[in-house]
Amino acid sequence: QKEVEQDPGPLSVPEGAIVSLNCTYSNSAFQYFMWYRQYSRKGPELLMYTYSSGNKEDGRFTAQVDKSSKYISLFIRDSQPSDSATYLCAMSGGTYKYIFGTGTRLKVLA
Amino acid sequence: NAGVTQTPKFQVLKTGQSMTLQCAQDMNHNSMYWYRQDPGMGLRLIYYSASEGTTDKGEVPNGYNVSRLNKREFSLRLESAAPSQTSVYFCASNQGPNGYTFGSGTRLTVV
Repeated sequence: QKEVEQDPGPLSVPEGAIVSLNCTYSNSAFQYFMWYRQYSRKGPELLMYTYSSGNKEDGRFTAQVDKSSKYISLFIRDSQPSDSATYLCAMSGGTYKYIFGTGTRLKVLA
Repeated sequence: NAGVTQTPKFQVLKTGQSMTLQCAQDMNHNSMYWYRQDPGMGLRLIYYSASEGTTDKGEVPNGYNVSRLNKREFSLRLESAAPSQTSVYFCASNQGPNGYTFGSGTRLTVV
């Protein structure tokens, strides 16, 4: 079993939909959680960064961490075609090494 | 405002050839990393350098060596390339337990 599991998709949604992206993990020591967006043939770019449990909001994006269930989510409101990308979750126990999920490919249809 | 710069962007090697991938960051970050990204496998850590003068193995270090030349630069060397090393390589840096800044990647094909 991988330390971090992420559904690869693809996930197709109509423009304006609410998107929910999720990762599960097995290591209870993880405390730092991140979401990255990666456009085709580009490097990943940091979207959201959270520490421990709870929610964090930034514009149309909300990151949620449930440590009791070992489950993290990224919600995108009012999704746009420009949100079409691969979304990667990543997490760490506080060392400098992050473990990445395999990524979920999202397509927002105009 | 360059962030993390990787060179080259593309490379084709023959089996057995050697090459060095270069990475430089201008954000004064202490830590630097090399990842490879393969379809269905996600990003896997090859080597990292928590601070200048130190390097450590990650998840998939076999067939690679690294050098932390100074605080800015962290290079990855393939001594004898193999087809299994065909991948996209990303360099990243960060400061403390914060998010990474990634470079734009090097697409390497070994034939």
